Amino acid sequence: EPEVTQTPSHQVTQMGQEVILRCVPISNHLYFYWYRQILGQKVEFLVSFYNNEISEKSEIFDDQFSVERPDGSNFTLKIRSTKLEDSAMYFCASSEGRAVTEAFFGQGTRLTVV
Amino acid sequence: DQQVKQNSPSLSVQEGRISILNCDYTNSMFDYFLWYKKYPAEGPTFLISISSIKDKNEDGRFTVFLNKSAKHLSLHIVPSQPGDSAVYFCAASAFPQGGSEKLVFGKGMKLTVNP
Repeated sequence: EPEVTQTPSHQVTQMGQEVILRCVPISNHLYFYWYRQILGQKVEFLVSFYNNEISEKSEIFDDQFSVERPDGSNFTLKIRSTKLEDSAMYFCASSEGRAVTEAFFGQGTRLTVV
Repeated sequence: DQQVKQNSPSLSVQEGRISILNCDYTNSMFDYFLWYKKYPAEGPTFLISISSIKDKNEDGRFTVFLNKSAKHLSLHIVPSQPGDSAVYFCAASAFPQGGSEKLVFGKGMKLTVNP
């Protein structure tokens, strides 16, 4: 069964450093998303991406965040200067059509900022 | 801003019995509702969904009921199995009516099915 894969599974970084979280969406999917879940809190939407551009973003997704689909298979989330409060589980998701009606999620990358 | 609320953090049921998971929402623009299941160290897995034009959707042991006037939905699992033990998230989308395609999640409910 096709799946969304994320690497690494766990990333530890120092405050102020840049991190790149990587995702390989399901191959025939066209819509891509990043969500995050801070420990003990709900899953929150960060950004959606379609046709090589951001289609929607939340207030969390500020100038420190960026997304890219560099090579037609990978979908990355970059955090330029990490803060302690960026520590969370980051989930990538993809869907065949719009409206995330049946988005498939990856297993997540746990980001720990120290 | 809790647009999607799962007020009970946990539920414990016996194998074979019915599990009922509840979810309330406040945003009348929500058009589509989904339930996701999540095991530890895994991402959320889609379980079942319902459009706002329906009041019931059934898939095997899983049934979702939607009461639009009460802004309430519930997930019924019958019969419950130990493998159903997981965290269940209720989620809603305001697409297309509200124009936003993002999923808004509840905080989740931990279901434990005891053998």
